[in-house]
This record gives sequence, structure tokens and C-alpha cells, in this order.
Amino acid sequence: QSVLTQPPSASGTPGQTISISCSGSSANIGSNPVNWYQQLPGTAPKLLIYGSDRRPSGVPGRFSGSKSGASASLAISGLRSEDEAEYYCAAWDGTLSAHVFGSGTKVTVL
Amino acid sequence: QMQLQESGPGLVKPSGTLSLTCAVSNGSITPNYYWGWVRQPPGKGLEWIASVYSTGSAYFKSSLRSRVTISVDTSRNQFSLQLTSVTASDTAVYYCARLKLRPNDAFDIWGQGAMVTVSS
Repeated sequence: QSVLTQPPSASGTPGQTISISCSGSSANIGSNPVNWYQQLPGTAPKLLIYGSDRRPSGVPGRFSGSKSGASASLAISGLRSEDEAEYYCAAWDGTLSAHVFGSGTKVTVL
Repeated sequence: QMQLQESGPGLVKPSGTLSLTCAVSNGSITPNYYWGWVRQPPGKGLEWIASVYSTGSAYFKSSLRSRVTISVDTSRNQFSLQLTSVTASDTAVYYCARLKLRPNDAFDIWGQGAMVTVSS
């Protein structure tokens, strides 16, 4: 059972905007930055968002992150077929003294 | 662009020791980053295992601490993971990754992953 809670799935049609939630606690999201990773089928995870709302070089502006209290969200606007992937949130947990990941959300483009 | 590449046996017997090495290319193991291991059982999510600094200072997931050794060899530009007393539940894809510890604690570069199966 993951420390960070994500919905198992999300979907949308091309061009739509979808949002993925990540719920934690004061020990993790509530007091530390959130990172998001995209894992395309059969590949390694890739850093998508760091520091809750920053994009690494090369990540399209369609991806955005936000954080409020002990929850965070990843939004994908202008959804494209190549966005079909598993998305994981992650943060440092000060109580567990561990890097913790969410359970993952599978995004399907209809 | 820096690249990480895992290597090691793909099959380990139960009660044996899993050993993996991560080779760093197009860059060096520098003091600015930590270096870590993350695993993913088939069809499941990501689990952080341990991380190590260039000096050898390391920290571990508490539930795995007693079975894990992580080390770094800056002269060979690589770092390694050993997991002892393995069982079938240790079957997973093992990723090595570079970790920018503060302020964001982000794994910013990942290896392609190495599948390790625990079976007799």
C-alpha cells in the first residue's frame, strides 16, 4: 500500500485537459516538494515535474504541476496519444526517512 | 547527456544475493548528487531502495536496510547494489538513477532497468 494515493486511472480525448491527484500527509507532500514521473509502456520512468511545479528542459508546457497543503496535482492539457503512460507522484517522507512514490495513474487517450 | 546502465545476473536463486552495478557514462559521479536504486515488481509501482553519495555515505528504506548494501566507486564511475537473502518478492525491474537530493529530492536521470528474477 502506497504512502501517496493516486487514482488508478484517468482518461480523456485528444485535446482535452485531464488532472491527476496525489494525496499525502504533513510528513511528505505537506512539507516537501512533489515530483512527477512519466513511465511510457516498457520504458524507464522519466522526470516530468520537479519541485511541485517546475518542468525539466525538454518537457512540453502541456504538463503542469501544483501543490496545496498535503495534496498535489498533475495537469495535462491538449492531451495527445503519446501521453498514454503511467504517471507517478513522489516526495520525501520525513517520518519514514524515505523517498515515497504514489501507486501510479494509468492515463488512456480515448 | 549523462547515461546510466545497469548490469548483473538476471536470475538469482532464493536465499541468494542479488548484485547489480550501474555504470555512469558521459559524466562523472560528482559530489553534487546522490545515486540511487529503485525497483518495480512486475505490474506494480515504484519502490525506492537506497541511495549513496560520492563519499560512500548512504541511506536506506528501513524495511530493506538489513539486507541491502550500496556502494560507490568513483574511480570506475559506477555504483552498486547488493540485496541478500532474496525471495520471490524481490523479483522486479531494478533501476539505477541520479538523485538531486535538496531541495527537490528528484531522480532526474534513470537507467533503462535490469529485470531480476528470483527463482530456483
